[in-house]
Amino acid sequence: NAGVTQTPKFRVLKTGQSMTLLCAQDMNHEYMYWYRQDPGMGLRLIHYSVGEGTTAKGEVPDGYNVSRLKKQNFLLGLESAAPSQTSVYFCASRGTGAEKLFFGSGTQLSVL
Amino acid sequence: QKEVEQDPGPLSVPEGAIVSLNCTYSNSAFQYFMWYRQYSRKGPELLMYTYSSGNKEDGRFTAQVDKSSKYISLFIRDSQPSDSATYLCAMSAVGSARQLTFGSGTQLTVLP
Repeated sequence: NAGVTQTPKFRVLKTGQSMTLLCAQDMNHEYMYWYRQDPGMGLRLIHYSVGEGTTAKGEVPDGYNVSRLKKQNFLLGLESAAPSQTSVYFCASRGTGAEKLFFGSGTQLSVL
Repeated sequence: QKEVEQDPGPLSVPEGAIVSLNCTYSNSAFQYFMWYRQYSRKGPELLMYTYSSGNKEDGRFTAQVDKSSKYISLFIRDSQPSDSATYLCAMSAVGSARQLTFGSGTQLTVLP
């Protein structure tokens, strides 16, 4: 009964390094989302996907790229990390016609 | 100005108290209103969901939506120490992707 799984849980990067965050869901959900959570800012949508092979920009997409090659996976990439990208990143998924978002447990990313 | 405003707290109450959490919003297109609960170092979990205006009750929790005032509330009766968490309001307009806009969250502590 895994639900939404995010890897890694913690990561420290140096400015300019790249990395990929992986989100996997086993509920056959069509919709997947990447959010970042910062103190006092709540959750802000970075990118989302409405189905396999599709992606779209959210509220704060700059500096991030995403891919949804398989329905169950949604990858978030940072090509050249900046200190402003220090945050907690959450992946979420939702089934068609449903309102409930299922969240992963988060990835704590620090960019030095 | 943010689309969704939420008092960040922190809010501290004694066990058994009635808790009132509130959000205001500016986008009149919002039709779906939710409350998520987030425990420390965990992903948010859906607590209550309401479509359009009205009240919804689930055990000790009551959600209210007043679209004329652009104001939503969550009431917790007989609060318990296990209710200590951050409460996030979230809302979305009609649309296939159903992108949620979150408030910044209110941190609640229920003291035994």
